Amino acid sequence: QKEVEQNSGPLSVPEGAIASLNCTYSDRGSQSFFWYRQYSGKSPELIMFIYSNGDKEDGRFTAQLNKASQYVSLLIRDSQPSDSATYLCAVNPRENTGFQKLVFGTGTRLLVSP
Amino acid sequence: DAGITQSPRYKITETGRQVTLMCHQTWSHSYMFWYRQDLGHGLRLIYYSAAADITDKGEVPDGYVVSRSKTENFPLTLESATRSQTSVYFCASSESKNTEAFFGQGTRLTVV
Repeated sequence: QKEVEQNSGPLSVPEGAIASLNCTYSDRGSQSFFWYRQYSGKSPELIMFIYSNGDKEDGRFTAQLNKASQYVSLLIRDSQPSDSATYLCAVNPRENTGFQKLVFGTGTRLLVSP
Repeated sequence: DAGITQSPRYKITETGRQVTLMCHQTWSHSYMFWYRQDLGHGLRLIYYSAAADITDKGEVPDGYVVSRSKTENFPLTLESATRSQTSVYFCASSESKNTEAFFGQGTRLTVV
């Protein structure tokens, strides 16, 4: 079992819809969770991080964390074609905090059609 | 220019050769990281460094060597390249272990 699992997609949504990206992790003691966006041929860039159970909102993006069920999700409201990218979920194992030794999922490709 | 830069952007090398990928950052960030990205595996940490002269292994360190004699540089050396090391390599840096890591543009390495 992979430590961090994501559906590879592609996830296709129409412009203006809500895109929901999901990620599950195996280490119950994981403390910090991150979402990166990666455009084709480019480097990853951080969108959001979340440490506590519940929701965290930043503009059109909402990260949701449920440690009991071991999943973290990213919601993108009012999806735009420019949101089309691969979204990487990353988890920090229990012994670390912050960005050391992040374990990444393989990413979900999102396609937003005009 | 300020930021984190990797060189070369593209490299083709032969099996068995030694190759060094360079990473330079101008922020004086303490932490630097090397990842490789492969289809089906996502990003995997090779090595990281918490400060000059301090390095530690990540998930896939075998076949790689790093050094950090200066805060701003973190070269990655493949001592004897193998085809399985064909990948896209990303360097990243962060101010501390609890702050955002910024990634370089990546180096696409092909071992033939």
